[in-house]
Amino acid sequence: AQSVTQPDIHITVSEGASLELRCNYSYGATPYLFWYVQSPGQGLQLLLKYFSGDTLVQGIKGFEAEFKRSQSSFNLRKPSVHWSDAAEYFCAVARGGGADGLTFGKGTHLIIQP
Amino acid sequence: DAMVIQNPRYQVTQFGKPVTLSCSQTLNHNVMYWYQQKSSQAPKLLFHYYDKDFNNEADTPDNFQSRRPNTSFCFLDIRSPGLGDAAMYLCATSRAGTTRGETQYFGPGTRLLVL
Repeated sequence: AQSVTQPDIHITVSEGASLELRCNYSYGATPYLFWYVQSPGQGLQLLLKYFSGDTLVQGIKGFEAEFKRSQSSFNLRKPSVHWSDAAEYFCAVARGGGADGLTFGKGTHLIIQP
Repeated sequence: DAMVIQNPRYQVTQFGKPVTLSCSQTLNHNVMYWYQQKSSQAPKLLFHYYDKDFNNEADTPDNFQSRRPNTSFCFLDIRSPGLGDAAMYLCATSRAGTTRGETQYFGPGTRLLVL
């Protein structure tokens, strides 16, 4: 069965510094991969997704992610974080095998230091 | 703007008292999903509808049921809420389902508190 691992529960980054959030997946075929962001008490907002084609995917709010099949990874990056980026970030994979829905990682809580 | 709407945003119920959460969408999407998200955990899929076809997850308790009377609306019914059912409930939609790589669009969620 597919699974998603986000190894970092919390990450603290200084405002203006670069950011990389890690995501590893387990899936037999080419996966459909997503990154969502969740602000406190809110729903999930899509940042970007990988469907096929170019392995470097651009998203909203200046985020990008790179799909690396050899490493089963889909890490999220941003060159310079803003205080408003503080939130919970979820990596997810489409379940596949005819089953609809997403399997989410446990999330990474991003803290921005002034 | 096209969107996914959930009402209410906060719901307080008593132990064992049935409660219904509502979701509506203006996206005209075929698929509607319900996820349960407990504190500091990942969202977990409970069930989804593809049009009128209901798809229940194997580990979703019988206490949870859903209705989709039309394309726009979907309801989550909790027949006898227990303390362990306190969570954020997220509704999502997708045009044709994630099996085709389609994006899921989430509503703001309903936070359920069980007293």
